[in-house]
Amino acid sequence: QQQVKQSPQSLIVQKGGISIINCAYENTAFDYFPWYQQFPGKGPALLIAIRPDVSEKKEGRFTISFNKSAKQFSLHIMDSQPGDSATYFCAASIRTGTDKLIFGTGTRLQVFP
Amino acid sequence: EAQVTQNPRYLITVTGKKLTVTCSQNMNHEYMSWYRQDPGLGLRQIYYSMNVEVTDKGDVPEGYKVSRKEKRNFPLILESPSPNQTSLYFCASSGGLSYEQYFGPGTRLTVT
Repeated sequence: QQQVKQSPQSLIVQKGGISIINCAYENTAFDYFPWYQQFPGKGPALLIAIRPDVSEKKEGRFTISFNKSAKQFSLHIMDSQPGDSATYFCAASIRTGTDKLIFGTGTRLQVFP
Repeated sequence: EAQVTQNPRYLITVTGKKLTVTCSQNMNHEYMSWYRQDPGLGLRQIYYSMNVEVTDKGDVPEGYKVSRKEKRNFPLILESPSPNQTSLYFCASSGGLSYEQYFGPGTRLTVT
């Protein structure tokens, strides 16, 4: 019940295309859903996050879509650029004060010119 | 500059030789955590600490120890490393009203 399932494992997209990464969870107590971006040789960094009281959040070219009834959320990268090539992790948390994040297994995105 | 630092960045050691990976943050965060990252498994939490002298097991604590004697430092100790602890390790911290976790640059450990 604590798992977050992420797909696909890898994704290749042409420059200018849309990248879509999906995650699913079981625990309905999760109330915070961040996405982290990791470049090679670096630690993950927060990209965008959403709470379950909204269905969508957009920041620039990055959008999280959240479907509470289906217990799914996804990251959409519009107009994908080579600089977006990185590994993306979805995560979920119960904001009880422990700040514990349950991570998905990651998606390696490659954007080709 | 707000940051989480880890040392060393790279370490090659032999089975059974005790080692410590240090982690320090300068953001006065209460919460600190250690993760290991393995291909296909994502990031798994090893141990976490909610404040000084308060630590607890994460999802994969076997073979690891931690301590939190000062708010800024959270070292990870492997008392008898084994090859299955070869991995990429990250320290992270968070605090205040934000739930954002700030990650260190990682420590790549190889145990032969």
